[in-house]
Amino acid sequence: DTEVTQTPKHLVMGMTNKKSLKCEQHMGHRAMYWYKQKAKKPPELMFVYSYEKLSINESVPSRFSPECPNSSLLNLHLHALQPEDSALYLCASSQEGGTASRGPQHFGDGTRLSIL
Amino acid sequence: DAKTTQPPSMDCAEGRAANLPCNHSTISGNEYVYWYRQIHSQGPQYIIHGLKNNETNEMASLIITEDRKSSTLILPHATLRDTAVYYCIVRVLNTGNQFYFGTGTSLTVIP
Repeated sequence: DTEVTQTPKHLVMGMTNKKSLKCEQHMGHRAMYWYKQKAKKPPELMFVYSYEKLSINESVPSRFSPECPNSSLLNLHLHALQPEDSALYLCASSQEGGTASRGPQHFGDGTRLSIL
Repeated sequence: DAKTTQPPSMDCAEGRAANLPCNHSTISGNEYVYWYRQIHSQGPQYIIHGLKNNETNEMASLIITEDRKSSTLILPHATLRDTAVYYCIVRVLNTGNQFYFGTGTSLTVIP
């Protein structure tokens, strides 16, 4: 069982829809991450939040909008997506600060997103 | 860009040791080596990490060469449940805590 919970597990949406992916962790981690993974490819980093502030945006298109409302929650708001955005979206969390920042990331099992 | 190189696939007989190599020739002195695995339809699972000393936990052993340019993940007694894609990652140390996955090794454990 994963300690990072992602909802929904599956999502099908049209190109004009607005939807949100949710991620929750209760391990006290202060760094949270969004990754995108296409089939048979490794995960690609999208965003990093550190102490609820966006610290890294890997040049992700603005149709993806992250939000970190508190230290346990991470959202990814989706709007006007394209078919090529269909993928597995993974959330992860880790400790932050000093030697703890070299600790492992804990991943959820992802949301499988399909854009029609 | 990925900073690690791994063979795309490997097979291992059930019950035997699985040795998965990784090259990271441009690793910096303060960068750690991490290993994760991803079983189909699940998120990546942390296995082990190390800086320069060999490490062992209940899942695996990590052997890092003295020059730190390569490492080997050892699963001592592979089972069918170890069939997965194994990723070797070099951790970039800054406040952003980026993790960049390489292409990984698809390990198949054969009965």
